[in-house]
Amino acid sequence: GNSVTQMEGPVTLSEEAFLTINCTYTATGYPSLFWYVQYPGEGLQLLLKATKADDKGSNKGFEATYRKETTSFHLEKGSVQVSDSAVYFCALVNYGGSQGNLIFGKGTKLSVKP
Amino acid sequence: NAGVTQTPKFRILKIGQSMTLQCTQDMNHNYMYWYRQDPGMGLKLIYYSVGAGITDKGEVPNGYNVSRSTTEDFPLRLELAAPSQTSVYFCASSPTGTAITLSGNTIYFGEGSWLTVV
Repeated sequence: GNSVTQMEGPVTLSEEAFLTINCTYTATGYPSLFWYVQYPGEGLQLLLKATKADDKGSNKGFEATYRKETTSFHLEKGSVQVSDSAVYFCALVNYGGSQGNLIFGKGTKLSVKP
Repeated sequence: NAGVTQTPKFRILKIGQSMTLQCTQDMNHNYMYWYRQDPGMGLKLIYYSVGAGITDKGEVPNGYNVSRSTTEDFPLRLELAAPSQTSVYFCASSPTGTAITLSGNTIYFGEGSWLTVV
């Protein structure tokens, strides 16, 4: 079946540090991949997405590249800010199935200290 | 533009009580979803709907019921609340379930409803 595995948190970084949050997936067919962000007390917001192999999604300084050969979609940011503190969810949608609903990873909590 | 609106935001229930979480969207989306998020876990799909009058079970439907009488509304019903239903509930909607839009979100989430069953 379809599944998403992302690195365990919490991740604590100092401001301006480099961020990587690993995400790997298992899916049949050709899924689309997403990163969602959840700020404290809020719902999920789409951060970035990639719909085919080698696509790079980017937004707000975050990037992730769809790597079909390693079934990965790692999230990176070169210099994190305190305002990036949130929970980050990797997710996939596989449109090869009967209906396209999102499959989420467990989430990785990021705390950025000043 | 309100997007997806959920009510209530917080609720405490006693075991065995019933309640309805309300969800409405103003984007004329066909697809609507209910997810639950347990601490330290990702979201799990409870029920979804592909249009008015059509609903189907997701991954964790037991203990819940839904209805979809209009395009805008997708309420989630808990009939006999149990402590295992303590969770954060998210309603979401999307224009379709089988196509990716080239720009913007594919799925829009409400702000969540925090439910505690004691």
